[in-house]
Formats: sequence, C-alpha cells, structure tokens
Amino acid sequence: DIQMTQSPSSLSASVGDRVTITCQASHDIGNHLNWYQQKPGKAPKVLIYDASNFEAGVPSRFSGSGSGTDFTFTISSLQPEDFGIYYCQQYDNLRFSFGQGTKLELK
Amino acid sequence: EVQLVESGGGLVQPGKSLRLSCAASGFTFDDHAIHWVRQAPGKGPEWVSGISWNSGRITYVDSVMGRFTISRDNAKNTVYLQMKSLRADDTAMYYCAKDRAAGGDGWYVDHWGRGTLVIVSS
Repeated sequence: DIQMTQSPSSLSASVGDRVTITCQASHDIGNHLNWYQQKPGKAPKVLIYDASNFEAGVPSRFSGSGSGTDFTFTISSLQPEDFGIYYCQQYDNLRFSFGQGTKLELK
Repeated sequence: EVQLVESGGGLVQPGKSLRLSCAASGFTFDDHAIHWVRQAPGKGPEWVSGISWNSGRITYVDSVMGRFTISRDNAKNTVYLQMKSLRADDTAMYYCAKDRAAGGDGWYVDHWGRGTLVIVSS
C-alpha cells in the first residue's frame, strides 16, 4: 500500500492568514492526489483533484500543487467557514489511501 | 439526486460475519466504481475496498484481504461488502462511496452515503 504522510496534524490560524498543509507519498504517484475537507458530522467533500484542479464550486482561495511524492494544499486567505479537518488522498489502480488529516482551528 | 443508502451494520461478536449493502440511485450505476470507506470514532477515513463498474477490478486494503469480499449487482444498483472473521479494530462507521470514474485507477469520491455502524465486541 502507498502510505501518505500529512503535516501538520493540527494548526490554529486567524481569519485572513495563509495556511499550508503538506502531504508526502511513499511512492511516486504522479498527480494522483486529491484534497478533501471534512466538517463535524459530515462526510468529506473533495476540494482539489489531480493535485491542482478545482472541484466545481470550490472557492478560488483553495489551491493545490505538487507531483511525484510531495504535495501542498494552500488556503490563501482563511475564512471562518474553513475550520474542519483536511485530508489528502491518493489513488492508484483502484486503491486509495488517505493522509492522517490536519485539524484546522480558527484562533 | 445521487443517493447511496447503506444497511446491514450492527453489533457483532469477534470472529463472526456481517454483510453490508449499499443501494444506489440518481445516477447511471454501472458507469462508476464504488468504494467502501470506514471511519472509526475520532479517526480519519480509511479506504477498505473498491470495485470497478463491471467488477473486473476489485481491490482491498491489506488489513481486510482474505476476510472481506466486495461485490456488486448492476441489475439491482447495489454493492455488497461481506465481512468475515471480524475483529475489534474493524469497528467503525462504514460508508459507501461513489467514484467519479468508472474504474481503472479510480479517481476521487464525489458522493458518500450516510454510513452504517459496525461494532465488533463481545
């Protein structure tokens, strides 16, 4: 299985801050990397697919980059509704694996 | 509207079996791969198994290989997860998840069910 290492595990930031989360794959996965946001009591919602593509309706303050083994997810200007847990997810031959998650709290 | 409705969860003793079902509607079922993803309380999602649109590709996480079997019936728009030799660490909410793609590598989950809770305990 491909292992995904996500960091940090938690972070606290203020409205307007720039926030960055990283995800590292144990093997080269090309651009097969997606990012999700999960709110309490809800299922995860995809924000970015294939490392850098926006899912429809996702605000432009969210972005992703990277390829191979190292990936970055950025929120350019944090908004109050952005609290939650963020996960990266890789896909390879119909096998998925998720990162451990980053809990984003608002100061 | 896409709907995925899981059923079959419950309390089961270690070593016993359980079969989960996922009834799908609101999309062309046999155009999409389907996954089971579980989430233990307070933990992140863990992908469990995937099945391509025509059952030609079936995959499992290593920890359930040989114990769980995924299948689908495209005539009934339903996916199943047969779970045997259940262990305490299988305890979780189990979600049925629709892949954006038909199969191949898979892609990403664009719709989730509400989940069915499996508790493995004596």
